[in-house]
Amino acid sequence: NAGVIQTPRHKVTGKGQEATLWCEPISGHSAVFWYRQTIVQGLEFLTYFRNQAPIDDSGMPKERFSAQMPNQSHSTLKIQSTQPQDSAVYLCASSNLNTGQLYFGEGSKLTVL
Amino acid sequence: GDSVTQTEGLVTVTEGLPVKLNCTYQTTYLTIAFFWYVQYLNEAPQVLLKSSTDNKRTEHQGFHATLHKSSSSFHLQKSSAQLSDSALYYCALTPRSGTYQRFGTGTKLQVVP
Repeated sequence: NAGVIQTPRHKVTGKGQEATLWCEPISGHSAVFWYRQTIVQGLEFLTYFRNQAPIDDSGMPKERFSAQMPNQSHSTLKIQSTQPQDSAVYLCASSNLNTGQLYFGEGSKLTVL
Repeated sequence: GDSVTQTEGLVTVTEGLPVKLNCTYQTTYLTIAFFWYVQYLNEAPQVLLKSSTDNKRTEHQGFHATLHKSSSSFHLQKSSAQLSDSALYYCALTPRSGTYQRFGTGTKLQVVP
């Protein structure tokens, strides 16, 4: 069974450009989560979907960040007008919610120059 | 709100000696589950331990942790650290079923010969 797949693994953007990150959750998992990982903050919750519906986006910077889950097999995180402080590893995780255990992808490392 | 505190950013221990990684929490919810995740270099975080039962010891891969609600703690311990245990360790809690997990800032464990 394939794990959570994230693409691209690395992305470099210039300040002000857009970045889109993709996540393919584990088949059969009903929930998809996005986290941002930095050395200072650790793992910060951004947003999550249950059965494709957005449930909680309380961690999302509202102005430039958006996330979608158009079907059960993938989710996207879009960052508009990227800023250097957006540089981080963005982790996607899926869960069947019964166990509560999260299964993480290897992450997408975003570098904003 | 909920919070998870990991006070040590870096713990260095000599191979063969015991190690303890601290985790304390604050939450307003009664129904909670706790996790320890481990992230090896260039890999995805993966669950190491899970517990939701007060005062019950949970063990996996030589590590153990006991949830103590009286002191709001879920410390991770191992009696004999191995070089292969060097990794980043996150403590996390799920405040209630079907919601996102709150993570601490992580503790980097460095096991030296």
